[in-house]
Amino acid sequence: GAGVSQTPSNKVTEKGKYVELRCDPISGHTALYWYRQSLGQGPEFLIYFQGTGAADDSGLPNDRFFAVRPEGSVSTLKIQRTERGDSAVYLCASSPNLSGGTDTQYFGPGTRLTVL
Amino acid sequence: AQKVTQAQTEISVVEKEDVTLDCVYETRDTTYYLFWYKQPPSGELVFLIRRNSFDEQNEISGRYSWNFQKSTSSFNFTITASQVVDSAVYFCALSAFGTDKLIFGTGTRLQVFP
Repeated sequence: GAGVSQTPSNKVTEKGKYVELRCDPISGHTALYWYRQSLGQGPEFLIYFQGTGAADDSGLPNDRFFAVRPEGSVSTLKIQRTERGDSAVYLCASSPNLSGGTDTQYFGPGTRLTVL
Repeated sequence: AQKVTQAQTEISVVEKEDVTLDCVYETRDTTYYLFWYKQPPSGELVFLIRRNSFDEQNEISGRYSWNFQKSTSSFNFTITASQVVDSAVYFCALSAFGTDKLIFGTGTRLQVFP
């Protein structure tokens, strides 16, 4: 079946602009995650959704970052007043969340954000 | 606090050599999960294995094998008879039961030369 998809694959913006990054999880997966990966580093957790609600947003770096998942499927990560330090690859993952614990997370191809 | 250390930044081998990627983790939780992911040049993270803290059996899948040792807090990954297609960055990750977020190491870049 289809995997996790993310759009756009690349986004170039200017400092101070607003951007939206979209994630479409694997069909039927109730859990959705956003991570950020800087060059040469491992992914860092941003936020986790269970259904429509954000179950854990402890990784969001500041209030310029916000994410929604209004219908429990597609999610949008929103970044206001972008800064050059926001440049990174933003990864989305989903899991079926069957066990109530830590299920395997399946990742999308990522969106490479460049802030000029 | 949870932490994953992958001390090997980069490893280069010649095809058909065996190679082991090290992973050391820190956690105070008694129930936790360990993962390995592969990130090829295309960039997409590919799931390789998930292991819970109560299952210390080593696992083999084709040319891949994993050695989990709670006594040394290590979860090492061995590729036998490496191939050029194994060239990628490999990440080890940890998650405590109920937290759902993955804590990744900094990754090990493996280059396999023909």
